[in-house]
Amino acid sequence: QQPVQSPQAVILREGEDAVINCSSSKALYSVHWYRQKHGEAPVFLMILLKGGEQKGHDKISASFNEKKQQSSLYLTASQLSYSGTYFCGTPKPNNYGQNFVFGPGTRLSVLP
Amino acid sequence: DVKVTQSSRYLVKRTGEKVFLECVQDMDHENMFWYRQDPGLGLRLIYFSYDVKMKEKGDIPEGYSVSREKKERFSLILESASTNQTSMYLCASSPSLGWSYEQYFGPGTRLTVT
Repeated sequence: QQPVQSPQAVILREGEDAVINCSSSKALYSVHWYRQKHGEAPVFLMILLKGGEQKGHDKISASFNEKKQQSSLYLTASQLSYSGTYFCGTPKPNNYGQNFVFGPGTRLSVLP
Repeated sequence: DVKVTQSSRYLVKRTGEKVFLECVQDMDHENMFWYRQDPGLGLRLIYFSYDVKMKEKGDIPEGYSVSREKKERFSLILESASTNQTSMYLCASSPSLGWSYEQYFGPGTRLTVT
C-alpha cells in the first residue's frame, strides 16, 4: 500500500516554513525523501533508517517516528529553489516479495 | 557523479508494437529499477534487478518484462504496447543490495501509445 502524504500541495512565500508528512497504515522500516522539479528526474534528499532518527542539511531536515509509522520533512526559511514535488518512499513487502513504494507526492510552490 | 541515462526522452508507439526502453548507469551499481510515473499516483515500481540476469517483480509488473544481460544496462520491454501504458518511465540505480541506499534516477522516457 502506498504511503499517504499531506498536504497534497502547499504554496509559500520565500522565507516561510513548511512541513510535509508521510504516513503508513503498516510498519515503516525506513523512509526515503526525494524532490522532483518540473521536467526533471527525482533527486535524493535523505534516508532515515531508524525510529527516532533525525537528519538534515542546509535548511531541510526530516524525522522518523517508527511507532507512529510516519515521517516528516521540514523546510525552513524556504527558497525559490525548494519548489518541486516531494516524495517519500519506503520498502514494503508485496505478493511477489520485496517492493519499494512512493507516496503520491506533495507539490510545493515557493513564491517571491 | 552517478549518471543514469535512458535511450529516449520521448517515444511514440502504436498499440500492439513491441517497445524497448533502455537504461545505462556508469557507476557499477548493483541495483537497477524501472518505475512508471503517473499524475496523482507518484512513482510505481515495475521491476528491479539486484544482479545480472536477476529480476524481481515490483508492484505493477503485468504487461512488462525486463532484461539485464550486463551490470550497467537494464531494459524494460513492453511485449505488446497498449494505450494504458502511456506514461513517464523512470529508470534508477542504487549502489548495493537492500533498501538502505539512495536511488539515482535517469531523466525519464515519456512514452505515448496511440
